[in-house]
Amino acid sequence: DIVMTQSPDSLAVSLGERATIDCRSSQSVFSSSNNKNYLAWYQQRPGQPPKLLLYWASMRESGVPDRFSGSGSGTDFTLTISSLQAEDVAVYYCHQYYNTPQAFGQGTKVEIK
Amino acid sequence: QVQMVQSGAEVKKPGSSVKVSCEASGGLFSTYGINWVRQAPGQGLEWMGRIIPLLGLPKYAQKFQDRLTITADRSTSTVYMELSSLRSDDTAVYYCAKDVLEPVGASRDYWGQGTLVTVS
Repeated sequence: DIVMTQSPDSLAVSLGERATIDCRSSQSVFSSSNNKNYLAWYQQRPGQPPKLLLYWASMRESGVPDRFSGSGSGTDFTLTISSLQAEDVAVYYCHQYYNTPQAFGQGTKVEIK
Repeated sequence: QVQMVQSGAEVKKPGSSVKVSCEASGGLFSTYGINWVRQAPGQGLEWMGRIIPLLGLPKYAQKFQDRLTITADRSTSTVYMELSSLRSDDTAVYYCAKDVLEPVGASRDYWGQGTLVTVS
């Protein structure tokens, strides 16, 4: 089974500053058949279902602000919030959908410094 | 309107079973994979299993292999998640969610509203 590990577990960033979250998978989630990384990022606010931010590691979901970006390939990935806004306070999860069982990272809590 | 609507909250006794439904409308059914994900209070997301209703072949996380059943009723566009032999640590919000593999319209992001199952 693929294990997803995020770092850090939490971070506090000043408004307008950059926030970076890393995600590592225990096995590659890259498919050479279609050159895609089966890696998604979600944002979850309290009391709400997760919201998809990015899929294929770097493709923004419709309506997601462009301050959210994703990078990486294979086993190492990064979510970047280029200029943190108050509404970005949430828990963020990476998710591999390369194979079964699918798996989520443990989550990273983002707060305002 | 495209949406996934889950059944309401449940309170169950230890050792009993719970069955949660997820009705998918607006083109979300049939060929798309539907996943079940749970979240215990204050904890992270846990993938439980998946089904493609057209194929009807569920896949489960090993942890739930012996007591989880996911089924689909194509006539009502509804997917069901049944968990048996409930324990207190099964208390969680249970979500259904469409695969992100393909979009429906402009979006790939479809989740149910969540169903709180309390085992006590």
